[in-house]
Amino acid sequence: DQQVKQNSPSLSVQEGRISILNCDYTNSMFDYFLWYKKYPAEGPTFLISISSIKDKNEDGRFTVFLNKSAKHLSLHIVPSQPGDSAVYFCAASARESSNTGKLIFGQGTTLQVKP
Amino acid sequence: KAGVTQTPRYLIKTRGQQVTLSCSPISGHRSVSWYQQTPGQGLQFLFEYFSETQRNKGNFPGRFSGRQFSNSRSEMNVSTLELGDSALYLCASSLATGEAFFGQGTRLTVV
Repeated sequence: DQQVKQNSPSLSVQEGRISILNCDYTNSMFDYFLWYKKYPAEGPTFLISISSIKDKNEDGRFTVFLNKSAKHLSLHIVPSQPGDSAVYFCAASARESSNTGKLIFGQGTTLQVKP
Repeated sequence: KAGVTQTPRYLIKTRGQQVTLSCSPISGHRSVSWYQQTPGQGLQFLFEYFSETQRNKGNFPGRFSGRQFSNSRSEMNVSTLELGDSALYLCASSLATGEAFFGQGTRLTVV
């Protein structure tokens, strides 16, 4: 039962353009969402998060949008840089209802930014 | 501020053996979670400890266990290793239920 889904295994964009990574979830108890960036053989690096009481959160080149009715979130990277090339994971948590730090991860999307 | 530290970075064990992995969280963080990453299954939650108590557990067999000490450091133990236990084991720490920060991971290979 995949509660968090990233349906695009890979994405390729040109340097300077926008990268849009998508994530869908099924559990309506999820109230906190995070995006992580990961390089091979390293731990995930936290990028940005959003609480379910918001629909947008911005941090520099990274913006996360949350559509609760559609159970969908997306990560926008503008402008994309070659150093952004990595695997991006979407994660969700039901922290208010379960008082836990447990994260459910999507399968990841490999982003390639071409110079 | 030091990040999450996991030791060892790499480990090779034989089937049937047991292994203990260690995690030192960010100073002040009381929640420590463990995840297993494999190519086929992605990042899977193992368990979470908060103030020395297991607060949550994933769907892994009893061969996987953990504990947390009073200084928030955590250990994970896998007994009777199987080939399928080969994976990258990641530890993450957080203040309580907020952003989780991950260590570099321990790459376990079972032969």
